[in-house]
Amino acid sequence: GNSVTQMEGPVTLSEEAFLTINCTYTATGYPSLFWYVQYPGEGLQLLLKATKADDKGSNKGFEATYRKETTSFHLEKGSVQVSDSAVYFCALRLLTGGFKTIFGAGTRLFVKA
Amino acid sequence: DAGVIQSPRHEVTEMGQEVTLRCKPISGHDYLFWYRQTMMRGLELLIYFNNNVPIDDSGMPEDRFSAKMPNASFSTLKIQPSEPRDSAVYFCASNSRGAGMNTEAFFGQGTRLTVV
Repeated sequence: GNSVTQMEGPVTLSEEAFLTINCTYTATGYPSLFWYVQYPGEGLQLLLKATKADDKGSNKGFEATYRKETTSFHLEKGSVQVSDSAVYFCALRLLTGGFKTIFGAGTRLFVKA
Repeated sequence: DAGVIQSPRHEVTEMGQEVTLRCKPISGHDYLFWYRQTMMRGLELLIYFNNNVPIDDSGMPEDRFSAKMPNASFSTLKIQPSEPRDSAVYFCASNSRGAGMNTEAFFGQGTRLTVV
């Protein structure tokens, strides 16, 4: 089946540290890939996306590259801030089989000042 | 547009009572999704609609759960009777296929349900 696997959290970092959150996927087709972020008390919002192999999505200093050969879409940021503390969800959507988005379990990030 | 609007934001109810959660999708969106978020299970897709028609309800946990979409601007998720294990945050999201396969789903702020 189609699924998304993320590294378990929580991830705790000091301000200005480098962030990596691993994400791998299993898909029967050729998916579009997304990272969503959820701040406390809020719904999910799109952080970045990539639609084909080797595409790099980027936003607010975060980046992720669509790696078809390793079926991965790891999220990175060079220097995190306290305001980046949130839950991050990796997700995929296939071009066939409906229009639903499949989410990973989420990874909680804590950034300490 | 005000985005996806859910109500209420918080609901506390007693076990056995009926609970109705409401959602207004973004105008013009033809897909609507109901998700449930818990610490144990993460984000689960319960059901989704296309043009007001339920397409996939395989995520609905049991017959106590039902969802309707009587028109393009309104959907409800009902739990009857409610149980403590239904306590979770319920999200509604909407999307438009006409905007392209790569457009993201837009989420409401969620309804935090507590069944005591």
